[in-house]
This record gives sequence, structure tokens and C-alpha cells, in this order.
Amino acid sequence: RKEVEQDPGPFNVPEGATVAFNCTYSNSASQSFFWYRQDCRKEPKLLMSVYSSGNEDGRFTAQLNRASQYISLLIRDSKLSDSATYLCVVNWISNFGNEKLTFGTGTRLTIIP
Amino acid sequence: NAGVTQTPKFQVLKTGQSMTLQCAQDMNHNSMYWYRQDPGMGLRLIYYSASEGTTDKGEVPNGYNVSRLNKREFSLRLESAAPSQTSVYFCASRGSRAASGSYEQYFGPGTRLTVT
Repeated sequence: RKEVEQDPGPFNVPEGATVAFNCTYSNSASQSFFWYRQDCRKEPKLLMSVYSSGNEDGRFTAQLNRASQYISLLIRDSKLSDSATYLCVVNWISNFGNEKLTFGTGTRLTIIP
Repeated sequence: NAGVTQTPKFQVLKTGQSMTLQCAQDMNHNSMYWYRQDPGMGLRLIYYSASEGTTDKGEVPNGYNVSRLNKREFSLRLESAAPSQTSVYFCASRGSRAASGSYEQYFGPGTRLTVT
């Protein structure tokens, strides 16, 4: 089983629609969670951190369910500029006490005019 | 403030050739990382350096070596390139959570490497 699993998509969504992605992680000791965005042939960039209480940033809402070990991202009123690959990222502590991020393979989103 | 820079942007090697990928950051970050990204595999950690003078293996270190030259620079070396090392390589850096309040990693623009 992969440590972080995402539906690879692609999701093709009309402009203005709402779209949701889920991500599951296998290590119950994971401490921190993030969504990164990666545009085609570009580097990943942090979109938002995910907190236990859930958090919102404009049109984007992230939720964390520790009991079920999944993370979600909701995008409302989608824009053409939201077209990208969304990476689910989980942080945990290694056996040597070092922190490392583990990336999901990404969900590809295309917003259709 | 350039963030994280990588050179070269593109490279084609023949099997058996060697090369070094360069990475530098100007954000005074302690931790630096090298990842490779392959289709359907996501980003996989090759090596990381938690601080100047230390390096540790990640998930896929075989065939690579690294050097943390100073706090700014972290290089990745392929001693004898193989076609399986064809990939996009990203360098990243992160400050201490105590200082920045965040685990955010900042990525360089990537190096696209093809080994024939």
C-alpha cells in the first residue's frame, strides 16, 4: 500500500463548478498535512496547510479526518487558472528523528471553459 | 531574493557518463532536499541534508551521491548515469519550524535529465 494515495484523475470540470479531491495516508503517526499545487512542467508550490479543525483560504477548503486517515480539498467556483496537479503531502518523523515529507502522486485537474 | 535555483535546466547524458546537479538557496534555510519525479510515482526523496555538514539517504539513494558544500549549496552527483535515472530532479529547502512556523518546502525549477 502506498503511504499517500490520491485519485490521479484527470478531473475535467466546467468553470464555476465545485470539485473535491480526497487523499488517504497509511501512517497514523503522521503529524502535518498539506496540499501543494504543481503547474505543468513547473515546481510544486504550497497551496495550503491542513489543520485538524479544517481551514479555508478563499475558494479553497481543506479538511483532515485523523480517525479515517484522509485529507480533502474542496475548490468552489473553479477558475481556469485552477487547472493544475494537486499533490497531497504528509509529514512524519523518521526513525532518526528527522522530519520528511511524503508526496502523493497528484490529482490532475482541468477546468473547462 | 531568488529562492531556490538549480542548474542546469536540461541535460542529456549517455549511459555511463557522470554529472553534478547544482542547487543553491538564499533563504538561510537549514534543511535541503533532492527529489526525483517520475510519471505515476510522485516525488521521491533521494537525499536530504538537515543542516550544513550532514547528509542522509532518502527513499531512492542508489546511484547518487550528494555534497552539502555550505549552508547555501547542496549538489547531487550521478557517477555513472543509467537510463533508469531519466527523470525530473527537484531541489528544495526548508527553514526551521521554530523560525518560520511552517514545514513548507520551497522548490527549485527542476532539472530535466535524459539518459540515453
